[in-house]
Amino acid sequence: DIQMTQSPSTLSASVGDTVTITCRASQSINGWLAWYQQKQGRAPKLLIYRASSLQTGVPSRFNGGGSGTEFTLTITSLQPDDFATYYCQQYNGYLTFGQGTKVEIK
Amino acid sequence: QVQLVQSGAEVKRPGASVKVSCKPSGYRFTDYYIHWVRQAPGQGLEWMGWINPDSGGTNYAQKFQGRVTMTRDTSLTTAYMEVTSLTSDDTAVYYCARDSTILAASDYWGQGTLVTVSS
Repeated sequence: DIQMTQSPSTLSASVGDTVTITCRASQSINGWLAWYQQKQGRAPKLLIYRASSLQTGVPSRFNGGGSGTEFTLTITSLQPDDFATYYCQQYNGYLTFGQGTKVEIK
Repeated sequence: QVQLVQSGAEVKRPGASVKVSCKPSGYRFTDYYIHWVRQAPGQGLEWMGWINPDSGGTNYAQKFQGRVTMTRDTSLTTAYMEVTSLTSDDTAVYYCARDSTILAASDYWGQGTLVTVSS
């Protein structure tokens, strides 16, 4: 099975900062990588699909990149609403999620 | 608009079973697979499997094979996920999510169903 490793597990940042989260797959996933945002007590929300495509309605400060086995989610000019937990997910007939990255206020 | 509405919270004894429902609306039920994902308290997301509402075909994560059954009722346009032989480790929020093969992601999620296993 494909394993997904996210880093860091926690990230402390301030409003206006630019932050980057990394997700590594145990084997090539051909760009079938999605990013979700989850707030406490809420269902995950799709942000990025196919590694770099922005889901409808998601602000352009969210940017996904990467290929092969290494992927990134960058949030430019962090806003108060962005403090949440972020998960990557591979899609290959089955799903595997990363462990999550909590973005907290510094 | 697309919505997935799940059944309410459950409290179960160890050894019991639980069946959670997921009723999508706003699209044709049989056009999209449904994933089931769970999240234990303070933990990450764990994929359990998917069901094809058109054929009823399923694919379970190896961890849950033999203990989880996903079904659907096309007349009620509802998907179900049953877990048997519950233990305290099954205490979690269970989510259904619509699969989009075009996006290669889950674009709509249910609100979640909290299942608490306690003696």
